[in-house]
Amino acid sequence: KQEVTQIPAALSVPEGENLVLNCSFTDSAIYNLQWFRQDPGKGLTSLLLIQSSQREQTSGRLNASLDKSSGRSTLYIAASQPGDSATYLCAVRRLGGSEKLVFGKGTKLTVNP
Amino acid sequence: GAGVSQSPRYKVAKRGQDVALRCDPISGHVSLFWYQQALGQGPEFLTYFQNEAQLDKSGLPSDRFFAERPEGSVSTLKIQRTQQEDSAVYLCASSQRRGLLGTDTQYFGPGTRLTVL
Repeated sequence: KQEVTQIPAALSVPEGENLVLNCSFTDSAIYNLQWFRQDPGKGLTSLLLIQSSQREQTSGRLNASLDKSSGRSTLYIAASQPGDSATYLCAVRRLGGSEKLVFGKGTKLTVNP
Repeated sequence: GAGVSQSPRYKVAKRGQDVALRCDPISGHVSLFWYQQALGQGPEFLTYFQNEAQLDKSGLPSDRFFAERPEGSVSTLKIQRTQQEDSAVYLCASSQRRGLLGTDTQYFGPGTRLTVL
C-alpha cells in the first residue's frame, strides 16, 4: 500500500527566505506526483505536476523535483512571501489501474512579514 | 472558465439522517473524484468515475456511502444514516484525462463541510 509522508508538519520562516518542503513515498511505481496548495477553508489548488519520466518542473518561484528511485520529491520556494502561507500537500498517482491520488498530511507553512 | 463547484458548502445533519452532496465538474472533464478530508489530515480517496462508469470505489468506508454520475457530468455523493465519524470535508475533483500520456491534473472544488451532531 502506498504511503506518503511530508516533513516537516509545520514550518515558520521570515519573509524572503528560500525554503524546501519534503515528500517521500513508499512505492516507486508511480505515474505522476502532484503538489497542491490549500488555504484555510478552501479546496486544493494544483501547483505543479511531475510525470514519472521527468526530474523537475518549475513555475515562477516554485520548483519541484522528483527522484522516483529513492521515493522522494521536494518543493523549493524561492524568496518566500506572506502570501505563500498555506498548507502544501504532496500526492502520488500509482502506475497502472486507478487514477486516484494518495496524499500526504501536508506541511503548514507560515511566512512572517 | 468555471471551476469545479460543490453544493452545499456547509451541511449540518443529525445523527441518522441521510445527506446528499453535489459536485459539478469542469465542463468536458471525463474523470471525477471524491475525497474525504478529516481535520488536520490529507484528503483520502473515496471513489472515482470515468464518464458515468464508477471505476474504483475502494475508498468508500461502508455501504452507507453511495456515489453516482448517471449522465457523466454532475455527481452526487450520498451518505445514509450519518454518524459522527462522517464529519469531514468532502472534496470533489475532475480531470480531463487525455489518455495514458496526458497530464491529467486534478482540479478541486471548494468542498462541502459536513458536521454530524
